[in-house]
Amino acid sequence: SAVISQKPSRDICQRGTSLTIQCQVDSQVTMMFWYRQQPGQSLTLIATANQGSEATYESGFVIDKFPISRPNLTFSTLTVSNMSPEDSSIYLCSGSGLKNTDTQYFGPGTRLTVL
Amino acid sequence: RKEVEQDPGPFNVPEGATVAFNCTYSNSASQSFFWYRQDCRKEPKLLMSVYSSGNEDGRFTAQLNRASQYISLLIRDSKLSDSATYLCVVNLRTGNQFYFGTGTSLTVIP
Repeated sequence: SAVISQKPSRDICQRGTSLTIQCQVDSQVTMMFWYRQQPGQSLTLIATANQGSEATYESGFVIDKFPISRPNLTFSTLTVSNMSPEDSSIYLCSGSGLKNTDTQYFGPGTRLTVL
Repeated sequence: RKEVEQDPGPFNVPEGATVAFNCTYSNSASQSFFWYRQDCRKEPKLLMSVYSSGNEDGRFTAQLNRASQYISLLIRDSKLSDSATYLCVVNLRTGNQFYFGTGTSLTVIP
Protein backbone atom coordinates (compact mmCIF):
# COMPACT_ATOMS: atom_id res chain seq x y z
CA SER A 1 0.00 0.00 0.00
CA ALA A 2 1.08 3.59 -0.50
CA VAL A 3 2.39 5.82 2.20
CA ILE A 4 0.54 9.12 2.19
CA SER A 5 1.63 11.97 4.39
CA GLN A 6 -0.13 15.20 5.18
CA LYS A 7 0.95 18.33 6.92
CA PRO A 8 0.13 19.97 9.11
CA SER A 9 -1.45 17.23 11.18
CA ARG A 10 -3.49 19.81 13.02
CA ASP A 11 -3.89 23.55 13.29
CA ILE A 12 -5.91 26.14 15.10
CA CYS A 13 -6.66 29.18 12.97
CA GLN A 14 -8.38 32.50 13.27
CA ARG A 15 -11.52 33.35 11.37
CA GLY A 16 -10.80 35.00 8.01
CA THR A 17 -7.38 33.46 7.52
CA SER A 18 -6.37 30.71 5.08
CA LEU A 19 -4.57 27.40 5.59
CA THR A 20 -2.82 25.28 3.00
CA ILE A 21 -2.63 21.55 3.58
CA GLN A 22 -0.02 19.49 1.78
CA CYS A 23 -0.34 15.87 0.70
CA GLN A 24 2.56 13.74 -0.45
CA VAL A 25 2.30 10.22 -1.82
CA ASP A 26 5.33 7.93 -1.93
CA SER A 27 4.55 6.42 -5.32
CA GLN A 28 2.80 7.56 -8.42
CA VAL A 29 -0.98 7.57 -8.34
CA THR A 30 -3.44 8.25 -11.07
CA MET A 31 -6.06 9.92 -8.90
CA MET A 32 -5.84 12.11 -5.82
CA PHE A 33 -8.82 13.28 -3.84
CA TRP A 34 -9.58 15.66 -1.00
CA TYR A 35 -12.26 14.85 1.57
CA ARG A 36 -13.73 16.53 4.59
CA GLN A 37 -14.98 14.62 7.61
CA GLN A 38 -16.85 16.38 10.36
CA PRO A 39 -17.19 14.81 13.81
CA GLY A 40 -19.37 11.73 13.77
CA GLN A 41 -19.94 12.00 10.04
CA SER A 42 -18.71 10.07 7.06
CA LEU A 43 -16.40 11.43 4.42
CA THR A 44 -17.55 14.10 2.01
CA LEU A 45 -15.63 14.44 -1.23
CA ILE A 46 -14.50 18.00 -1.86
CA ALA A 47 -12.77 17.53 -5.19
CA THR A 48 -10.60 15.39 -7.40
CA ALA A 49 -7.13 16.86 -7.81
CA ASN A 50 -6.05 16.70 -11.46
CA GLN A 51 -2.42 16.86 -12.39
CA GLY A 52 -1.58 20.04 -14.22
CA SER A 53 -5.14 21.26 -14.54
CA GLU A 54 -8.00 22.58 -12.46
CA ALA A 55 -9.50 20.29 -9.87
CA THR A 56 -12.96 18.81 -10.35
CA TYR A 57 -15.20 20.02 -7.54
CA GLU A 58 -18.24 18.33 -6.06
CA SER A 59 -21.52 20.08 -5.59
CA GLY A 60 -21.31 22.58 -2.77
CA PHE A 61 -17.57 23.17 -3.07
CA VAL A 62 -15.99 25.92 -5.15
CA ILE A 63 -12.49 26.76 -6.24
CA ASP A 64 -12.48 30.18 -4.60
CA LYS A 65 -13.05 28.60 -1.21
CA PHE A 66 -10.95 25.45 -1.68
CA PRO A 67 -8.23 26.06 -4.26
CA ILE A 68 -6.35 22.87 -5.07
CA SER A 69 -3.06 22.31 -6.82
CA ARG A 70 -1.47 19.15 -8.14
CA PRO A 71 1.78 20.06 -9.86
CA ASN A 72 2.90 16.44 -10.25
CA LEU A 73 1.64 12.92 -9.71
CA THR A 74 2.71 12.61 -6.10
CA PHE A 75 1.92 15.98 -4.54
CA SER A 76 -1.20 18.05 -3.98
CA THR A 77 -2.30 20.97 -1.83
CA LEU A 78 -5.68 22.06 -0.57
CA THR A 79 -6.20 25.58 0.71
CA VAL A 80 -9.11 26.43 2.98
CA SER A 81 -9.67 30.11 2.31
CA ASN A 82 -11.27 32.83 4.40
CA MET A 83 -12.02 30.36 7.13
CA SER A 84 -15.01 30.39 9.42
CA PRO A 85 -15.81 28.11 12.39
CA GLU A 86 -17.97 26.00 10.05
CA ASP A 87 -14.77 24.93 8.29
CA SER A 88 -13.57 23.16 11.43
CA SER A 89 -13.18 19.57 10.33
CA ILE A 90 -10.73 16.85 9.45
CA TYR A 91 -9.39 17.17 5.92
CA LEU A 92 -8.12 13.97 4.31
CA CYS A 93 -6.31 13.39 1.08
CA SER A 94 -6.30 10.07 -0.68
CA GLY A 95 -4.69 8.44 -3.67
CA SER A 96 -5.81 5.65 -5.93
CA GLY A 97 -4.67 3.89 -9.06
CA LEU A 98 -1.59 2.36 -7.52
CA LYS A 99 -0.36 -0.78 -9.17
CA ASN A 100 -3.41 -0.94 -11.40
CA THR A 101 -5.85 -1.17 -8.55
CA ASP A 102 -8.72 1.15 -7.86
CA THR A 103 -8.36 1.07 -4.11
CA GLN A 104 -8.04 4.34 -2.24
CA TYR A 105 -5.44 4.93 0.42
CA PHE A 106 -5.78 7.79 2.85
CA GLY A 107 -3.43 10.21 4.47
CA PRO A 108 -3.58 10.63 8.26
CA GLY A 109 -5.71 13.75 7.98
CA THR A 110 -5.39 17.36 9.07
CA ARG A 111 -7.49 18.38 12.05
CA LEU A 112 -8.50 22.01 11.59
CA THR A 113 -10.10 24.15 14.26
CA VAL A 114 -11.24 27.65 13.34
CA LEU A 115 -11.89 30.05 16.19
CA ARG B 1 -31.56 8.53 -2.49
CA LYS B 2 -28.02 8.11 -1.22
CA GLU B 3 -25.55 6.20 -3.35
CA VAL B 4 -24.53 4.03 -0.42
CA GLU B 5 -26.55 3.34 2.70
CA GLN B 6 -25.50 1.67 5.91
CA ASP B 7 -27.11 1.09 9.26
CA PRO B 8 -25.14 3.47 11.51
CA GLY B 9 -25.62 1.25 14.55
CA PRO B 10 -24.18 1.34 17.11
CA PHE B 11 -23.62 -2.37 17.39
CA ASN B 12 -22.53 -3.41 20.87
CA VAL B 13 -21.54 -7.05 21.01
CA PRO B 14 -19.72 -9.24 23.55
CA GLU B 15 -16.29 -10.65 22.85
CA GLY B 16 -16.49 -13.82 20.80
CA ALA B 17 -19.76 -12.91 19.14
CA THR B 18 -20.43 -12.94 15.43
CA VAL B 19 -21.68 -9.71 13.93
CA ALA B 20 -22.79 -8.83 10.43
CA PHE B 21 -23.14 -5.49 8.67
CA ASN B 22 -24.99 -4.82 5.46
CA CYS B 23 -24.65 -2.01 3.00
CA THR B 24 -26.85 -1.23 -0.01
CA TYR B 25 -25.88 0.72 -3.11
CA SER B 26 -28.15 2.39 -5.60
CA ASN B 27 -26.19 2.34 -8.85
CA SER B 28 -26.27 -1.00 -10.61
CA ALA B 29 -23.25 0.10 -12.68
CA SER B 30 -21.04 0.06 -9.58
CA GLN B 31 -17.97 -2.00 -10.28
CA SER B 32 -15.87 -2.39 -7.19
CA PHE B 33 -16.66 -2.61 -3.53
CA PHE B 34 -14.70 -2.27 -0.34
CA TRP B 35 -14.94 -2.28 3.41
CA TYR B 36 -12.79 0.22 5.25
CA ARG B 37 -12.19 0.45 8.96
CA GLN B 38 -11.84 3.77 10.73
CA ASP B 39 -10.65 4.06 14.30
CA CYS B 40 -11.48 7.12 16.35
CA ARG B 41 -9.46 10.13 15.22
CA LYS B 42 -7.69 8.11 12.54
CA GLU B 43 -7.93 7.88 8.78
CA PRO B 44 -9.94 5.12 7.06
CA LYS B 45 -7.89 2.04 6.27
CA LEU B 46 -8.73 -0.63 3.76
CA LEU B 47 -10.04 -3.75 5.45
CA MET B 48 -10.88 -5.80 2.40
CA SER B 49 -12.14 -5.70 -1.13
CA VAL B 50 -15.41 -7.42 -1.92
CA TYR B 51 -15.74 -9.77 -4.85
CA SER B 52 -18.74 -11.51 -6.36
CA SER B 53 -17.28 -14.81 -5.30
CA GLY B 54 -16.93 -13.65 -1.73
CA ASN B 55 -13.76 -12.83 0.11
CA GLU B 56 -12.50 -14.23 3.39
CA ASP B 57 -9.59 -12.99 5.45
CA GLY B 58 -9.25 -14.73 8.78
CA ARG B 59 -12.26 -13.84 10.91
CA PHE B 60 -13.64 -11.47 8.28
CA THR B 61 -15.86 -12.47 5.37
CA ALA B 62 -17.23 -10.09 2.77
CA GLN B 63 -19.95 -10.91 0.29
CA LEU B 64 -21.43 -9.12 -2.69
CA ASN B 65 -24.94 -9.64 -3.98
CA ARG B 66 -25.26 -7.80 -7.28
CA ALA B 67 -28.86 -8.83 -7.88
CA SER B 68 -29.98 -7.20 -4.64
CA GLN B 69 -27.27 -4.53 -4.72
CA TYR B 70 -25.87 -5.08 -1.27
CA ILE B 71 -22.61 -6.04 0.30
CA SER B 72 -22.04 -7.56 3.69
CA LEU B 73 -19.27 -7.93 6.22
CA LEU B 74 -19.24 -10.75 8.73
CA ILE B 75 -16.91 -10.69 11.71
CA ARG B 76 -16.54 -13.93 13.64
CA ASP B 77 -15.14 -14.34 17.15
CA SER B 78 -15.16 -10.59 17.78
CA LYS B 79 -12.16 -9.10 19.57
CA LEU B 80 -11.99 -5.91 21.60
CA SER B 81 -9.66 -4.57 18.92
CA ASP B 82 -12.42 -4.87 16.33
CA SER B 83 -14.17 -1.87 17.89
CA ALA B 84 -14.22 0.78 15.17
CA THR B 85 -16.42 2.31 12.50
CA TYR B 86 -16.77 0.21 9.35
CA LEU B 87 -17.27 2.11 6.11
CA CYS B 88 -18.80 0.63 3.00
CA VAL B 89 -17.28 2.05 -0.20
CA VAL B 90 -18.52 1.65 -3.74
CA ASN B 91 -16.60 2.65 -6.84
CA LEU B 92 -18.17 3.54 -10.15
CA ARG B 93 -14.97 2.91 -12.02
CA THR B 94 -16.10 5.29 -14.74
CA GLY B 95 -14.54 8.54 -13.63
CA ASN B 96 -13.24 6.73 -10.60
CA GLN B 97 -16.08 7.98 -8.45
CA PHE B 98 -15.94 6.60 -4.92
CA TYR B 99 -18.99 6.71 -2.70
CA PHE B 100 -18.77 6.23 1.04
CA GLY B 101 -21.44 5.03 3.40
CA THR B 102 -21.93 6.86 6.67
CA GLY B 103 -20.29 4.02 8.56
CA THR B 104 -21.44 1.43 11.09
CA SER B 105 -20.13 1.77 14.61
CA LEU B 106 -19.07 -1.43 16.38
CA THR B 107 -18.13 -1.74 20.03
CA VAL B 108 -16.97 -5.10 21.30
CA ILE B 109 -17.58 -5.41 25.03
CA PRO B 110 -15.43 -7.52 27.38
